[in-house]
Amino acid sequence: AQKVTQAQTEISVVEKEDVTLDCVYETRDTTYYLFWYKQPPSGELVFLIRRNSFDEQNEISGRYSWNFQKSTSSFNFTITASQVVDSAVYFCALSGRGADGLTFGKGTHLIIQP
Amino acid sequence: GAGVSQSPSNKVTEKGKDVELRCDPISGHTALYWYRQSLGQGLEFLIYFQGNSAPDKSGLPSDRFSAERTGGSVSTLTIQRTQQEDSAVYLCASSFGSGRPSGYEQYFGPGTRLTVT
Repeated sequence: AQKVTQAQTEISVVEKEDVTLDCVYETRDTTYYLFWYKQPPSGELVFLIRRNSFDEQNEISGRYSWNFQKSTSSFNFTITASQVVDSAVYFCALSGRGADGLTFGKGTHLIIQP
Repeated sequence: GAGVSQSPSNKVTEKGKDVELRCDPISGHTALYWYRQSLGQGLEFLIYFQGNSAPDKSGLPSDRFSAERTGGSVSTLTIQRTQQEDSAVYLCASSFGSGRPSGYEQYFGPGTRLTVT
């Protein structure tokens, strides 16, 4: 069985602060993919990043960065200098051999206060 | 280009009635997925279609749920004899390909909010 845990249900920070969203996963597969999606108040899930299990290189895209560590089964997401527009629910997800669809975490509701 | 579209955007129905939810995937995408999003259960995978292949129905929550995909494109999720616990947002997604595992990005539609009274 595979599982994704996002222990932070809700995070509230003031604009311009840095914030890290945690994601811990469980799988017995050696080949798998990890994803982050953003769900803004409008409701539509938006793809942010994909990582395969053989690529532990960290990635930076503007104010966003991702830290993938197989040793701790974690795929954390950091927003630097947060902005109000970053307010959304963020989901971490896993694709493995056990299912055709994505296994999602419960999501972290990020609130950026002006 | 056009994204994944779903209709209706909102549906209110009485307990015991049947409902049909429609998904129109991105043109050229062979894989289509249905998910359900509810407060209690989060985002759950329901069923998946690859082209015209018969889907694996094991993820559907009960035998009141069924889905079909016509011509490898549009899909319909049908819920018979709706119950209050069926109230949720039903999301459709499509992707260029699929696999176990799949590295293909899934593009999601805006969802259908189903309320069973």
